[in-house]
Amino acid sequence: AQSVTQPDIHITVSEGASLELRCNYSYGATPYLFWYVQSPGQGLQLLLKYFSGDTLVQGIKGFEAEFKRSQSSFNLRKPSVHWSDAAEYFCAVGAMDSSYKLIFGSGTRLLVRP
Amino acid sequence: DTEVTQTPKHLVMGMTNKKSLKCEQHMGHRAMYWYKQKAKKPPELMFVYSYEKLSINESVPSRFSPECPNSSLLNLHLHALQPEDSALYLCASSQEGGLAGLTFQETQYFGPGTRLLVL
Repeated sequence: AQSVTQPDIHITVSEGASLELRCNYSYGATPYLFWYVQSPGQGLQLLLKYFSGDTLVQGIKGFEAEFKRSQSSFNLRKPSVHWSDAAEYFCAVGAMDSSYKLIFGSGTRLLVRP
Repeated sequence: DTEVTQTPKHLVMGMTNKKSLKCEQHMGHRAMYWYKQKAKKPPELMFVYSYEKLSINESVPSRFSPECPNSSLLNLHLHALQPEDSALYLCASSQEGGLAGLTFQETQYFGPGTRLLVL
């Protein structure tokens, strides 16, 4: 069965420091992978996505993610975190059931120290 | 334009009330989704409409009734809800809902959500 694991429930980084959020997936075919960000009380905003091709994908707000098939991972990175990046981050894999659906990880809450 | 709108932003209702949540998109997408999200949890899929037909119902109680009047609109009718139904309800849309296979267009775009409180 398809699944997504985000092993870190919380991560705290200092403003200006680099960030890596981990995501591992289990999916039988070529995965379609996404990172979404959610600020408190808000909807989900798409940060970036991977379908095929270059395994390093660039997203909005200075984020990037690298797809590593051998490790079944799609980790999100940012070289220098800003206080406004504090939010909940969800990794997701797109899958086909009777229709297309997203399978979400449990999320990682990012806290940013001044 | 990748905007999905939802109304109302907030809703408070009693257990005997009937209310509706509305979702609208003008991206020409043919698949629309309802999710329920509890605090500190990921979104849980409730329903999927593809080409205005219900294609997935994730065993949602009948007190939630979805409706897709046309390709741009998605409603969620609420009746006799329970306090545990209090949550953020998110709507999303995507290009085809997978009918053309998984393609680059199959990205889900989310609305801002409706915060529902059931008393």
